[in-house]
Amino acid sequence: QQQVKQSPQSLIVQKGGISIINCAYENTAFDYFPWYQQFPGKGPALLIAIRPDVSEKKEGRFTISFNKSAKQFSLHIMDSQPGDSATYFCAASMDRDDKIIFGKGTRLHILP
Amino acid sequence: NAGVTQTPKFQVLKTGQSMTLQCAQDMNHNSMYWYRQDPGMGLRLIYYSASEGTTDKGEVPNGYNVSRLNKREFSLRLESAAPSQTSVYFCASSEGVGGAKNTEAFFGQGTRLTVV
Repeated sequence: QQQVKQSPQSLIVQKGGISIINCAYENTAFDYFPWYQQFPGKGPALLIAIRPDVSEKKEGRFTISFNKSAKQFSLHIMDSQPGDSATYFCAASMDRDDKIIFGKGTRLHILP
Repeated sequence: NAGVTQTPKFQVLKTGQSMTLQCAQDMNHNSMYWYRQDPGMGLRLIYYSASEGTTDKGEVPNGYNVSRLNKREFSLRLESAAPSQTSVYFCASSEGVGGAKNTEAFFGQGTRLTVV
């Protein structure tokens, strides 16, 4: 059973456009939802994270939108740049244990 | 600042051979993790350790064993390697729970393992 479902698998966006990646989760006990960014040959690194007590969090060009009732959250990258080309993972975890469960990832390519 | 260090970076094994992947962190983190990354499958949790002396199974533990040697080190052992274990393995650490809120997980650079 896949606990965190991520879509799309790959995404191509023009420079300056908005990139949107979606995730859905099953377990309502999850209470921490991070997004990680991974460049080729590197380990993932935290990009931005949200807790379910807020519906949106913005850091620079990156925004997480969170819909608790739908059990969905999404990453929006505004004014997408070629340097944003990477693989993005959504994830979920809960305070009562330390498991961090990842989605399958989205390979994002920004056209120059 | 080394962060999370994994060794080796690359390894080729023959089917049936054994090996141990090493991981060490210098951030005084409580929690440590082993993930495998396969094309189209994302990052799948193999084992994790919430604190020194404790380990728990993740999503895909079969064929692996782990040891939390001390707070700094968390090793992953393949007793009898199989071609299905060909993957990129990542170790990660985080400050952990223990009543505190979740914090950022820091990843190593990965070990690319090929089993032939």
